Amino acid sequence: AQKVTQAQTEISVVEKEDVTLDCVYETRDTTYYLFWYKQPPSGELVFLIRRNSFDEQNEISGRYSWNFQKSTSSFNFTITASQVVDSAVYFCALSDWSEKLVFGKGTKLTVNP
Amino acid sequence: DAGVTQSPTHLIKTRGQQVTLRCSPISGHKSVSWYQQVLGQGPQFIFQYYEKEERGRGNFPDRFSARQFPNYSSELNVNALLLGDSALYLCASSLQRDRRTSYGYTFGSGTRLTVV
Repeated sequence: AQKVTQAQTEISVVEKEDVTLDCVYETRDTTYYLFWYKQPPSGELVFLIRRNSFDEQNEISGRYSWNFQKSTSSFNFTITASQVVDSAVYFCALSDWSEKLVFGKGTKLTVNP
Repeated sequence: DAGVTQSPTHLIKTRGQQVTLRCSPISGHKSVSWYQQVLGQGPQFIFQYYEKEERGRGNFPDRFSARQFPNYSSELNVNALLLGDSALYLCASSLQRDRRTSYGYTFGSGTRLTVV
């Protein structure tokens, strides 16, 4: 069975601090996909990144970066120089080819001015 | 282009009633899935439809049903509502064309259902 663990329930930082959100996953599949979604108070899940299990390259997109390590089954997300607009709940998710997403419980990030 | 649209945005129902939630996918997306998100939790998979056929079902009772129409829009029906059905119901669509590759989902803003 697939499982995603986001151990950090809530994180609070001051603007401009760097913050890393942890994600650990479990799966028996050799081909799988990892995702990060952002959920602002409006409720919509905003897609941030998709990674397949064969691509362990780290990725950077502006202030966002992702560290995928198969050896530790982790897919961590770092926000550099955080801003108040980054405040949201962030979800890590896992799927196989079927696209049935298994989500973690989410990490609520609060960025204070 | 319009994103995934869901209606209604909010709904209040009484225990025992039935509810129908609607979803229109992104144009060109043939795969639609439904998720239930209880407050403070991550979304839970309910159904997936592709080309009008049910492709997957999560661990939900038979009170939950869904269907996909020829234009790829979808409806989620919940019968005999319980207080515990109160949640945000999210619809998502995907470009998935075959069983070999996942493209990821684009989610709508959801329907917030309150059962009283």
